[in-house]
Amino acid sequence: EIVVTQSPGTLSLSPGERATLSCRASQGITSSSLAWYQQKPGQAPRLLIYGASSRATGIPDRFSGSGSGTDFTLTISRLEPEDFAVYYCQEYGSSRTFGQGTKVEIK
Amino acid sequence: EVQLLESGGVLIQPGGSLRLSCAASGFTFTNYAMSWVRQAPGKGLDWVSGVGTSDAFTYYTDSVKGRFTISRDNSKNTLYLQMNSLRVEDTAVYYCAKGSSGGRPYYFDSWGQGTLVTVSS
Repeated sequence: EIVVTQSPGTLSLSPGERATLSCRASQGITSSSLAWYQQKPGQAPRLLIYGASSRATGIPDRFSGSGSGTDFTLTISRLEPEDFAVYYCQEYGSSRTFGQGTKVEIK
Repeated sequence: EVQLLESGGVLIQPGGSLRLSCAASGFTFTNYAMSWVRQAPGKGLDWVSGVGTSDAFTYYTDSVKGRFTISRDNSKNTLYLQMNSLRVEDTAVYYCAKGSSGGRPYYFDSWGQGTLVTVSS
């Protein structure tokens, strides 16, 4: 089973700053089968990125994904107030496991 | 617009059984794989089970194998999760999630709002 580990656990930033979230897999992820989701309190998760770097429908271009193999990154270029949330990565090519999440909180 | 509406979550005693349902609309249900993902209180997301476009292809996380059964009724556009021998650690919000395609690999491009299952004596 592929295990995915996210870092940091919590990111404290101010609106307008750049956020960089990391997701590392225990084995190489084939076909870049890596997705990112956003979850706000009391809400269901929302798909942001699939295929490591493709934005889902309606996702603003301040969100970008990159990486391959075992190391992946979600970047939010300039944080908007609505971006403070928990972010999860998921490997969906084999084990479908989620990372433990990174909370982006207001500093 | 894709809509996924879960139901069936309740407070139930350990060892009990429960069936969750997810009514789907806004897309051609028969063409897409579906899954259940759960989230224990204050915890992260945990994929539970998935089914292809028919019941011929089903998948489970190890902790629920032999206890949970996923199924779908394509004539009713509904996904189910039969949960038997429930344990305290099964307590979670259970989300229905739509796959991005009919076969693997697929990510989850739409989610329901979830239904809460509480297992407690």
